[in-house]
Amino acid sequence: NAGVTQTPKFQVLKTGQSMTLQCAQDMNHEYMSWYRQDPGMGLRLIHYSVGAGITDQGEVPNGYNVSRSTTEDFPLRLLSAAPSQTSVYFCASSYSHRANQPQHFGDGTRLSIL
Amino acid sequence: GQQVMQIPQYQHVQEGEDFTTYCNSSTTLSNIQWYKQRPGGHPVFLIQLVKSGEVKKQKRLTFQFGEAKKNSSLHITATQTTDVGTYFCAGPTSGGSYIPTFGRGTSLIVHP
Repeated sequence: NAGVTQTPKFQVLKTGQSMTLQCAQDMNHEYMSWYRQDPGMGLRLIHYSVGAGITDQGEVPNGYNVSRSTTEDFPLRLLSAAPSQTSVYFCASSYSHRANQPQHFGDGTRLSIL
Repeated sequence: GQQVMQIPQYQHVQEGEDFTTYCNSSTTLSNIQWYKQRPGGHPVFLIQLVKSGEVKKQKRLTFQFGEAKKNSSLHITATQTTDVGTYFCAGPTSGGSYIPTFGRGTSLIVHP
């Protein structure tokens, strides 16, 4: 059972480039989310999805887009990368947002914007 | 901004000493979760507390949920080097949903 799989693990971009961070889960989880982690700032929610076809903004959504066409996949798109988006990105999933459920995290993507 | 405040941000201890991290909210929480993140790793779920005044133990770790359900603590007895990492609490966002908001975490450094 793979759990939550994120790709790539590392990426270096130039300012202005675009890219997509991939996230897939094989647990048939309804809820998926993206966080960014910066030193001293904890985990900040970027976007989340409570099911296929449904997405919503979190605390820090600017500069990022998401879509949820299937239950399994929840990609995060950086439209025009900026140095402020240098961070570690974690994808997480849980069985449902309607009840207290533990979050399962992927291994993270370490992204540097030059 | 963050719904849950976590202190301290860092804690250095000698191996064998105890450690406590605190999580506080201005609003009543329906539940609180605790996670551990090892250096270079990803957060891993430890436990969830739901009831007022609840206390749960996992070996040397003791988790408490306050009577008013506005605060929680994680206490580690006799720390070991394997306890090194960042401990996060997470509470539901305001408005009644169960979408978690994480505290900024407490980084535990254990000196052998």
